[in-house]
Amino acid sequence: GDSVTQMEGPVTLSEEAFLTINCTYTATGYPSLFWYVQYPGEGLQLLLKATKADDKGSNKGFEATYRKETTSFHLEKGSVQVSDSAVYFCALIRRSGANSKLTFGKGITLSVRP
Amino acid sequence: KAGVTQTPRYLIKTRGQQVTLSCSPISGHRSVSWYQQTPGQGLQFLFEYFSETQRNKGNFPGRFSGRQFSNSRSEMNVSTLELGDSALYLCASSEDRGNTGELFFGEGSRLTVL
Repeated sequence: GDSVTQMEGPVTLSEEAFLTINCTYTATGYPSLFWYVQYPGEGLQLLLKATKADDKGSNKGFEATYRKETTSFHLEKGSVQVSDSAVYFCALIRRSGANSKLTFGKGITLSVRP
Repeated sequence: KAGVTQTPRYLIKTRGQQVTLSCSPISGHRSVSWYQQTPGQGLQFLFEYFSETQRNKGNFPGRFSGRQFSNSRSEMNVSTLELGDSALYLCASSEDRGNTGELFFGEGSRLTVL
């Protein structure tokens, strides 16, 4: 079945540091890939997405590139802020079939200190 | 546009009891999904409803059930509660256009089973 693997956390960084959060996936076909973010006390929000190989999703300074050859979708940001402290989830959905079931990774907690 | 609304936000139950959680999707969204979030298992898919029909179901026991009403509002029910059912239950809605995977989440209902 489909699966998403995220690097182990938590991650603690100083403000303005470079961020990379690794994500790899296993899925048949050609899934769409997502990063969702959960701020403290809130539900998940879509951060960015990519629907085909070599697509780059970007939002709020975050970027991730759909790499089919390495089945990866790593999240990066050049300079993190304290407000980026949250839990980040990588996810995929297969485009075939009539369902909206996202498969999520376990999530990783990011803490950014001033 | 109002977001996804979940009620109640917090509740405490004892083993053996049952609980009903409610979700009002974003206006115009016809698909509603439910996820269970725990520290150990992460986000696990419970079920998805579209136009009052269960369209997809995760690997949870029959104690977990749901339904969707004609106005797209959804409820989920857990009967004979167990300690392991303590979790954050998240509802998400979508416009359901071509399996995009873009879900809009509520803030969740945090269930504690004593």
